[in-house]
Formats: sequence, C-alpha cells, structure tokens
Amino acid sequence: DADVTQTPRNRITKTGKRIMLECSQTKGHDRMYWYRQDPGLGLRLIYYSFDVKDINKGEISDGYSVSRQAQAKFSLSLESAIPNQTALYFCATSDPGLAEETQYFGPGTRLLVL
Amino acid sequence: AQSVTQLGSHVSVSEGALVLLRCNYSSSVPPYLFWYVQYPNQGLQLLLKYTSAATLVKGINGFEAEFKKSETSFHLTKPSAHMSDAAEYFCAVTPSGGYQKVTFGTGTKLQVIP
Repeated sequence: DADVTQTPRNRITKTGKRIMLECSQTKGHDRMYWYRQDPGLGLRLIYYSFDVKDINKGEISDGYSVSRQAQAKFSLSLESAIPNQTALYFCATSDPGLAEETQYFGPGTRLLVL
Repeated sequence: AQSVTQLGSHVSVSEGALVLLRCNYSSSVPPYLFWYVQYPNQGLQLLLKYTSAATLVKGINGFEAEFKKSETSFHLTKPSAHMSDAAEYFCAVTPSGGYQKVTFGTGTKLQVIP
C-alpha cells in the first residue's frame, strides 16, 4: 500500500462549486504539505502543517483553505472553484525527526474546473 | 530570496548516451539542493540531495550531481541513459533544509530515443 494517498485522483467540477481534496499518510510524519503543479511552473506551496495545531500559508494560499483532522489527514478545500485553479495537486509529508529529512509525495489529484 | 533555473524544458538523448540536465541556483545563504523525478501520473520522487557534505552526490538509478559553488550549479548526470529514465526532472533549492521554503525549478522533460 502507498504511504501517501490522495483522493480523488481526478476531479471535474464547475466554477463556483466547493470541493475538497483529501490526503492520508501512513508514514507517521508530523509535517504535511499541499502543492499545485502547473505546466512550465514547477510546484508551488499552497499550505503546510507542522502538526495538528500548526497550519501555515504558503506561497499561493488565496482561494484555498485546509484542515488537519489528524496527524495522518490533511485536506485541501476550494471554497468556490475558478478555472485558473485547474492544476495537478500534490500532497507531501516529511519528518524532521529523521537524521536526514526527506519529503514524500502522493500520486496527485488532477483537477479541472470548467 | 532564492531561485532555481533549469536550462532546457525538453532534452532528448539516445539510449546509452550521457544524460546531462542543467540546474543553476541562487541563494543568499548556503543552500540545500535537490533533484526529483516525476514519472507520468505519479508524484515526485527524490533522486538525490546536497546538504553541504560531499560536493559530488550519488543518488538512485545511477544518477549523480555535483555542487559547484563557483558556478552556482547543480547539474544532474547519468553516464548511460536507459529507456526507463524518460520522465520529468525537477531541481529544487532551500536555504535551510526546511521543506516549507523549497523553491522548485520549472522542470525538464527527458526523452530517451531507442
């Protein structure tokens, strides 16, 4: 089983709809991240969380919100989706307790906003 | 501030030929540098990282990269390309090792020609 899972893997929605992307991890890591990937732009950080009570905005948080329901779960919400939020979204985890912290990525959610 | 520049959004090599993917960075403090690989429909996977120890870093799948401070470069190489190396590669930099501060490059798609 994958260590970092994302649901759904693909989603089509309409402008103005609220949607939630979910991320779960079995690695036991405290730190979790949400990124979006756009062609030709690389990955950009939306939000990150160092533990259940510590949530922080990233580079491009406008139009997004997150919820850290448990150590293992970190959800990303688009309150009112717009077409320029069409992108590939990745969740990632890391653990600073490791001697050499490494980041692990989920398989991604492809979102299309019509 | 920090930045990463990947030269060439697409690179083609013949199977068995040398792979060279270029990455230049800027950082106001000594950086940590990373190379990731992304296969179709998958998340990013760490190939290797530089954390101020040895300047020549060996990674998985036969890849290596050399940190050259004087050239502000961290190019990725592999002596002999394999068909399975076809993927997109991302260079990334962080000033402190904290993943919340990582800046990703725009990616280079590697095509391997039989």
